[in-house]
Amino acid sequence: ETGVTQSPTHLIKTRGQQVTLRCSSQSGHNTVSWYQQALGQGPQFIFQYYREEENGRGNFPPRFSGLQFPNYSSELNVNALELDDSALYLCASSLGGLWGTEAFFGQGTRLTVV
Amino acid sequence: GIQVEQSPPDLILQEGANSTLRCNFSDSVNNLQWFHQNPWGQLINLFYIPSGTKQNGRLSATTVATERYSLLYISSSQTTDSGVYFCAVEATGTASKLTFGTGTRLQVTL
Repeated sequence: ETGVTQSPTHLIKTRGQQVTLRCSSQSGHNTVSWYQQALGQGPQFIFQYYREEENGRGNFPPRFSGLQFPNYSSELNVNALELDDSALYLCASSLGGLWGTEAFFGQGTRLTVV
Repeated sequence: GIQVEQSPPDLILQEGANSTLRCNFSDSVNNLQWFHQNPWGQLINLFYIPSGTKQNGRLSATTVATERYSLLYISSSQTTDSGVYFCAVEATGTASKLTFGTGTRLQVTL
């Protein structure tokens, strides 16, 4: 059984650029959620994908968007990067369709916007 | 939305000491998880415990859902226990969205 993997692990971008982060879900899981963790804070929910459809969104602007593929891997895209987008981005996978299932996290992508 | 509060915010222990971390939440939940975040940012699953009591080695957790709190016990602490501990809950009807507390930063010294 493979765990949740994210790529890249670190990334530096310039303000105004666009970025794509990737996540492979744990074997057997069909739901991927993305979280943003600013320094010194707890992770904040961005959105979730279940069977390739967005299934819930947190308080993030539309320039944060995502995709889920038929193999349940997922991408997080951020357009028009701002300095405040600098954070650790975490992906979690779970067995969706049922509420209350355990989520497992990847190692994260640390994004720095300069 | 649901509010999650963790206490204490910071904790310094000597190796071998025991500790209790608390998580209070403001509404009913389907799911509650405890995580340990290591220095590299990885969230390590400790417990999936929407109710009841579980134990795993030196760690144990209890959730009293009707009173809206959970406790994480660490016994005989080791320096490798250092890091940030997060409680995260999925409020009823929120489709697997986890709301995290602000964390407890634990430092275990020799």
